[in-house]
This record gives sequence, structure tokens and C-alpha cells, in this order.
Amino acid sequence: DTGVSQDPRHKITKRGQNVTFRCDPISEHNRLYWYRQTLGQGPEFLTYFQNEAQLEKSRLLSDRFSAERPKGSFSTLEIQRTEQGDSAMYLCASSLDGQTYNEQFFGPGTRLTVL
Amino acid sequence: GQNIDQPTEMTATEGAIVQINCTYQTSGFNGLFWYQQHAGEAPTFLSYNVLDGLEEKGRFSSFLSRSKGYSYLLLKELQMKDSASYLCAVRALYQLIWGAGTKLIIKP
Repeated sequence: DTGVSQDPRHKITKRGQNVTFRCDPISEHNRLYWYRQTLGQGPEFLTYFQNEAQLEKSRLLSDRFSAERPKGSFSTLEIQRTEQGDSAMYLCASSLDGQTYNEQFFGPGTRLTVL
Repeated sequence: GQNIDQPTEMTATEGAIVQINCTYQTSGFNGLFWYQQHAGEAPTFLSYNVLDGLEEKGRFSSFLSRSKGYSYLLLKELQMKDSASYLCAVRALYQLIWGAGTKLIIKP
């Protein structure tokens, strides 16, 4: 357990529905990242927050995806009008400026299945 | 463009040594990470290199050559629990750019 939690762990939804995932980072960590990972691939960067500010968003991310980190603590990732291609593991990670390696600590992920 | 290459799969024997290579071409470089990922689980941090040379950490060592765009992860005294995927990731500014991972299979 890295201290990063994600909820839910699994989500099955029908195509066209909206889904929202939550991530609670390690409490003192100021940076939060969302990734998507499909089988046999490395994590794909989606977006990044420093405190409550969303500083970077992947150009591959469609406008159906939105993320927030309203108080600089937990974050939510919403996918609107889900498509079968959205099926993947969604990973959240956090890090703290000034750590020796600034390594990212990952949560257990939310596995999304779109039927 | 951004590109990180690793072998897809490797097989090794329990107790042996294995070297997993990673080559990268990225538009920026702020360090290279190795992560371990067991099936169905999140990646966990193994090592970090930002300067050329070898970093040793118990049974695991990682090497970096920035001029060659090359790194390797060396695992010694392999144990069955080392069966996992090993991901190489380059930090370009804030985000990490990931390779697809190398699935390591350990045989008794």
C-alpha cells in the first residue's frame, strides 16, 4: 500500500454512460497525475495537477474527459459518453516536490469496462 | 517524437542474473525511472538515474548512459516473486514517458 487510494476499484458501465473516478493522494503530496493503461502497454499520461491547478493535459485526451482537484487534495476524473475504447485501467499517482527522486507513488487503479 | 523501447518479454532461471535494456529518444530528459508492476497491480518504484553510471540497490542495479540514450536494469539472485513487468520511464519536465514494459518470466 503506497498511501494513494482510488475508488472504485472496478467499474462496469454501458456505452454512452458517464463515469467518475476518485483519487486520494498521499496527504502532503502537491502533485497529482492521471494515467490510463491498457494490457501490455505502459501507462499513458492523461493530465497533471500541481496543487489545485491543472498544468498539463495530454493532447490525446478528448473533450469527453475532464479532471478536477478542487482543494488541492483529492481529484476526480470524469468520462462522459463512454465508448468501448475507454476500457482500461485508470491510474492515479502523486509526488512531492523536494523528495530525493521525486518519484511518483501509484494508487491501485480503477479498472473500467465499457460494454 | 518520444520513443522508449524495451524487449517485450524475457525468461530467466531462479537464482540467475538478468539484464533488461531500455533505449529512449525524448525531447527532454530529467531522469530515468524503473518501476516494477505485478499483473493487475499498480507500478512500484525501483530505481532512478539522472547521471551516467550505475546505481546499486540490493539485488537490483540500474545503469544510465545519457549520450547513448540507454539504460539497463540488472536483477541478481532472481526469485520467483520477481516475475513481473518492468517499466522504463523517462521524465521530461513533469510528466513521465513510459515504455511498454518487459514481462519477466522466472522459471524454477
